[in-house]
Amino acid sequence: DGGITQSPKYLFRKEGQNVTLSCEQNLNHDAMYWYRQDPGQGLRLIYYSQIVNDFQKGDIAEGYSVSREKKESFPLTVTSAQKNPTAFYLCASSASGDTDTQYFGPGTRLTVL
Amino acid sequence: SQKIEQNSEALNIQEGKTATLTCNYTNYSPAYLQWYRQDPGRGPVFLLLIRENEKEKRKERLKVTFDTTLKQSLFHITASQPADSATYLCALGTYIPTFGRGTSLIVHP
Repeated sequence: DGGITQSPKYLFRKEGQNVTLSCEQNLNHDAMYWYRQDPGQGLRLIYYSQIVNDFQKGDIAEGYSVSREKKESFPLTVTSAQKNPTAFYLCASSASGDTDTQYFGPGTRLTVL
Repeated sequence: SQKIEQNSEALNIQEGKTATLTCNYTNYSPAYLQWYRQDPGRGPVFLLLIRENEKEKRKERLKVTFDTTLKQSLFHITASQPADSATYLCALGTYIPTFGRGTSLIVHP
């Protein structure tokens, strides 16, 4: 069963703590993306990666970090430097980075207490 | 600055009617435009892609038009059903897509 998975579905964090969100895909896609969605807002791009061991900042990268050590995995770390981290985080993948359909995971809802 | 506009007010229609959603953009010259469906608490699901040199695309009950002169895309769902109720996002770009905020569609039985 091919697809893209994110874990956990819900995550609670205390202020000042770093937290890592998992994203795994078995679609053999080269490109992977992280978006943030706030209520009533569009998806905003945090980071993207077109190939293993390479990634670029998106529009709102401050306070976040990523790694792409394996083709199928693209974890996102929300650091304590992110001032307003409570949001719905979506991971996506596409066959390449150019106009292809994006396949989204189910999302992780992060709440900072 | 670049801007994508989708109606923030929910669209309410009766079952069986055609739903029409609008996506307008400014300060863009997109190579393509996509439409996605998003259900509450879930990730978006791709529906259709239309390229700048295409006027119209169809898929089953769905139809998308793309007018680069008006800088507008229309998304139609014919014979709408309550199961079509969701938020619909447009996304456009030349490389990685930029997403609009989405319009909520509510189909009443």
